[in-house]
Amino acid sequence: GAVVSQHPSWVICKSGTSVKIECRSLDFQATTMFWYRQFPKQSLMLMATSNEGSKATYEQGVEKDKFLINHASLTLSTLTVTSAHPEDSSFYICSARASGASYNEQFFGPGTRLTVL
Amino acid sequence: DAKTTQPPSMDCAEGRAANLPCNHSTISGNEYVYWYRQIHSQGPQYIIHGLKNNETNEMASLIITEDRKSSTLILPHATLRDTAVYYCIVRISPMEYGNKLVFGAGTILRVKS
Repeated sequence: GAVVSQHPSWVICKSGTSVKIECRSLDFQATTMFWYRQFPKQSLMLMATSNEGSKATYEQGVEKDKFLINHASLTLSTLTVTSAHPEDSSFYICSARASGASYNEQFFGPGTRLTVL
Repeated sequence: DAKTTQPPSMDCAEGRAANLPCNHSTISGNEYVYWYRQIHSQGPQYIIHGLKNNETNEMASLIITEDRKSSTLILPHATLRDTAVYYCIVRISPMEYGNKLVFGAGTILRVKS
């Protein structure tokens, strides 16, 4: 099956620093990638949708200047949490939609756990 | 997309069938029923989807009522590794613009030995 990887799998950073998370589709091209955030004991919340070569579309309430998304190629999207604060600590998950796929078209990465001290 | 209602948690004995219900009474004619699961600290995993006919694959079976207002995901022989949060999602055809998956609270399935 299609594989989506994320790097790093976990990261600890100091408050005020920026953290970049990578999402890669390993064996398929992804025209669209999605970024989710999940707080403990809560469901996944969609943050933004990114299409290769264009600006990301953010969900209501998500600060686009704080969560920078770049989808520069068909296999890579990055999420940068700028000036991270403890309340940004969360589990960040990406998913990728294969180009031209039909039903089982979204594949999820394993997630990145961010802890901001 | 139509809203879904699932029980917050369920227990199942190992080796027995796990039947997870989902209510989607406001589903539209062009909306599909999808099931994903999320094992602790991992990304969601696709299980199965259907429109109106019952579906079966190597992981599970999906039974959709005739009026399509509810469905049941069946894991025929649950194992301890099936312990996870199961999400029932209703959405329009994946080929439509938007293509977003919106996750609800899901059902925590605990498989016990």
